[in-house]
Amino acid sequence: GEDVEQSLFLSVREGDSSVINCTYTDSSSTYLYWYKQEPGAGLQLLTYIFSNMDMKQDQRLTVLLNKKDKHLSLRIADTQTGDSAIYFCAETLSGGSYIPTFGRGTSLIVHP
Amino acid sequence: EPEVTQTPSHQVTQMGQEVILRCVPISNHLYFYWYRQILGQKVEFLVSFYNNEISEKSEIFDDQFSVERPDGSNFTLKIRSTKLEDSAMYFCASSELRAGYTFGSGTRLTVV
Repeated sequence: GEDVEQSLFLSVREGDSSVINCTYTDSSSTYLYWYKQEPGAGLQLLTYIFSNMDMKQDQRLTVLLNKKDKHLSLRIADTQTGDSAIYFCAETLSGGSYIPTFGRGTSLIVHP
Repeated sequence: EPEVTQTPSHQVTQMGQEVILRCVPISNHLYFYWYRQILGQKVEFLVSFYNNEISEKSEIFDDQFSVERPDGSNFTLKIRSTKLEDSAMYFCASSELRAGYTFGSGTRLTVV
């Protein structure tokens, strides 16, 4: 069955790059997502990548996908205090269901 | 920007009582979902709803759960006889297509 794992915490200094990692078990993933949850808010879709891509860049965000190792990462360049949030990795599988499977979320804490 | 609205933001209920969690999806969206996140654990899929019926549900969504779209705007999750282990954050989401979810900010359910 599918499983998505993330580390629970990451602490960085403002201005540094953050890299949030995620591993998944099912090789039939079609889409892989990163969601952001700010305190008191819902899950906001940040970016996604198709499973046939290796990399996707969107302004300060870079998503890297290593299909061989089933590893997904989200790099945030020039991390700001406003980036402090919980970041969720999620995948959807081929075979018809579009229901994403989420990880536990990584709490990113950005220090001034 | 259109939002998914959930009420209440926090609900406290006694074990054995029925609760109804309410959601107003985005008006032109066709697919509706409920997820939950027990503290410290993963965001888990409960149920998806399309064309006035359940399209998919997880093992968690047993007979004590039900969903309803009572009118053109609301989407509700009912838990008939709450248990302590139902304490969690419940997220509603909606999508226009079978991807690109928009989540609400969640209802924190505490069963005492």
